[in-house]
Amino acid sequence: EVQLVESGGGLVQPGGSLRLSCTASGFTFSTYGMNWVRQPPGKGPEWVSHITRSSDTIFYADSVRGRFTISRDDANDLLFLQMNDVRAEDTAVYYCVTPLLTGFYSTFWGQGTLVTVSS
Amino acid sequence: EIMMTQSPGTLSVSPGESATLSCRASQSVSRNFAWYQQKPGQAPRLLIYGASTRAAAIPARFSGSGSGTEFTLTISSLQSEDFAVYYCQQYNDWPRTFGQGTKVEIK
Repeated sequence: EVQLVESGGGLVQPGGSLRLSCTASGFTFSTYGMNWVRQPPGKGPEWVSHITRSSDTIFYADSVRGRFTISRDDANDLLFLQMNDVRAEDTAVYYCVTPLLTGFYSTFWGQGTLVTVSS
Repeated sequence: EIMMTQSPGTLSVSPGESATLSCRASQSVSRNFAWYQQKPGQAPRLLIYGASTRAAAIPARFSGSGSGTEFTLTISSLQSEDFAVYYCQQYNDWPRTFGQGTKVEIK
């Protein structure tokens, strides 16, 4: 069974930092690129970042480029999102999301972790 | 950035009826296109990928069509569990982008 479990969310002040983690299981993590997608309260999803397998290529949304850093630890099946200089508009549920997994014929999302940026 | 525009914003449908949702891309995304369903308090769930391929365990009453810039999701004979918000997404280019959503509500 594919499982993605996010952690690290919480309340952070504007300008502060937070590190999100995602623990993956049930598939060969190291062979897939991975994504972070966020969803502000009451709004639609917004793709945030993608990291290819082996971390050789990384993409960011314009809204987070230069402030957020995606990384991965393939030895431990972990995905990270380092969030620096956070803003009120970064308030959202952050999801760890797989691409379409071969043999599973679907993508998989974690349960999400809520990040609230407020003073 | 490719803009995804969904219509209508809200669709009121009676159980057992069919529903047709639309999504337009600001430029061609070929068939690199997906539909998601989201219920309150849950993560989005993939329904359709490749514009017309149902994801695993998705009932046959969900069907997708289109290519390029115009896409349609049809839900035939709506069941109670189908009332939700539906999002389209393109994965042809970076950044990946979603539509603003269509809420399917009980009439």
